[in-house]
Amino acid sequence: DQQVKQNSPSLSVQEGRISILNCDYTNSMFDYFLWYKKYPAEGPTFLISISSIKDKNEDGRFTVFLNKSAKHLSLHIVPSQPGDSAVYFCAASAKSGGGADGLTFGKGTHLIIQP
Amino acid sequence: DTGVSQDPRHKITKRGQNVTFRCDPISEHNRLYWYRQTLGQGPEFLTYFQNEAQLEKSRLLSDRFSAERPKGSFSTLEIQRTEQGDSAMYLCASRSGGAFGYTFGSGTRLTVV
Repeated sequence: DQQVKQNSPSLSVQEGRISILNCDYTNSMFDYFLWYKKYPAEGPTFLISISSIKDKNEDGRFTVFLNKSAKHLSLHIVPSQPGDSAVYFCAASAKSGGGADGLTFGKGTHLIIQP
Repeated sequence: DTGVSQDPRHKITKRGQNVTFRCDPISEHNRLYWYRQTLGQGPEFLTYFQNEAQLEKSRLLSDRFSAERPKGSFSTLEIQRTEQGDSAMYLCASRSGGAFGYTFGSGTRLTVV
C-alpha cells in the first residue's frame, strides 16, 4: 500500500519554463514533507522541506506547496534549467506525531529539461 | 565534512553467499539509517540507529539481515544467504537529532547472481 504516491513517472519541460511535480499521500500522521533530487549513481540529495503547519516554503527557484485537506503537495521549479534533469522523490515523515523515524518515499518522477 | 561514505560502491555475489556493507556517517550526526532501493521504486526504510542503539527495524528486514553500529560511529549491514531478490541499491543516511534533512551516501549496489 503506497502511502506516498507520485503518479507521473516522468515529466518533460522546456528550459526556462516552470516544472511542477506532484505528490499525494494517504497517511494523516505525516506531518513533515521533503523533496529529494537524485542523479544516476548518486544518493538522493535534499532539496526542500515543509512542515504541516505551513502551506508554502520557498528556497530560490524551488517552492513547495502543501494542501493538507487534499493530502497533496507539489514542487515548483522556476525557471527550469538543464541541470534540473534528475529523478525527484517526495518523502514524508510522521516522527513529530509519534510515528516512525524513517522516511516514506514515493516512487519518483523523472524530470527531463529540454533545451 | 566529507559527507556520508559507503563501501563498497558495487558488489556482485553468488546466491547463498554472505555480504557486508559499511557506512561512515557525517561525524557529528548521531542518527544513522539504512534504506533499500529497487528499480523503479523509491528508497524503502530498513532500520535506524541513534548512537549505538538500533531503535527501529522495518518488516522488510528479514532475519537474514543484521545491522550494527558499534560505538555509535560507522555502521555495517550484513545479508546472510543472499537471494536474487536482495539485488538492490542499499543507501545509508545520517542526520543530527535536531535536523530533518537527511544526508544520503551514494549507496552500495548489490547484484546477486
